[in-house]
Amino acid sequence: NAGVTQTPKFRILKIGQSMTLQCTQDMNHNYMYWYRQDPGMGLKLIYYSVGAGITDKGEVPNGYNVSRSTTEDFPLRLELAAPSQTSVYFCASSYSGRDQPQHFGDGTRLSIL
Amino acid sequence: QKEVEQNSGPLSVPEGAIASLNCTYSDRVSQSFFWYRQYSGKSPELIMSIYSNGDKEDGRFTAQLNKASQYVSLLIRDSQPSDSATYLCAVTAGNMLTFGGGTRLMVKP
Repeated sequence: NAGVTQTPKFRILKIGQSMTLQCTQDMNHNYMYWYRQDPGMGLKLIYYSVGAGITDKGEVPNGYNVSRSTTEDFPLRLELAAPSQTSVYFCASSYSGRDQPQHFGDGTRLSIL
Repeated sequence: QKEVEQNSGPLSVPEGAIASLNCTYSDRVSQSFFWYRQYSGKSPELIMSIYSNGDKEDGRFTAQLNKASQYVSLLIRDSQPSDSATYLCAVTAGNMLTFGGGTRLMVKP
């Protein structure tokens, strides 16, 4: 009963390094999302995907890239990490985008030093 | 810009009282509404969904929707210390879910 699985749970990066946050879901959901949540703030949408091979930008896409080669996986790539990208990153999925709730992974806590 | 607004709180209520959490949204074509609970350091957890005007009850939780006035609320009856968390209101617009900033609820024993 895995649901949405994110790895790693914690990571510290140096400024300018790059990394990929992994997200996989086993619910056969079509839609997947990446959010960031800064301390004491709400969720901001980075990118989303409505199916394999289809991605689109959310509210705060700058500095990030995504791909969706399979239904199950939706990795988020950070290129040239900056301190402003220090945040908690959540991956979520839903069967469809309009009426179905999103199910969240446990998150990845990322610090850029 | 489509917005979802919540009072950030904290909303403090005594144990056993009714907690009332409110949310307003700007997009009149929004169709689906959700309440998520987020404990500190944890991920959001869905607790209620509502799609039509009126009330929807699930245990101690009641969601209320008024599309004409563009607000949705969550009532928590018999509040418990374990209900202390941040409650996020979320509203769909097209294919995306827009979240409010959340209301922090503190239930005091």
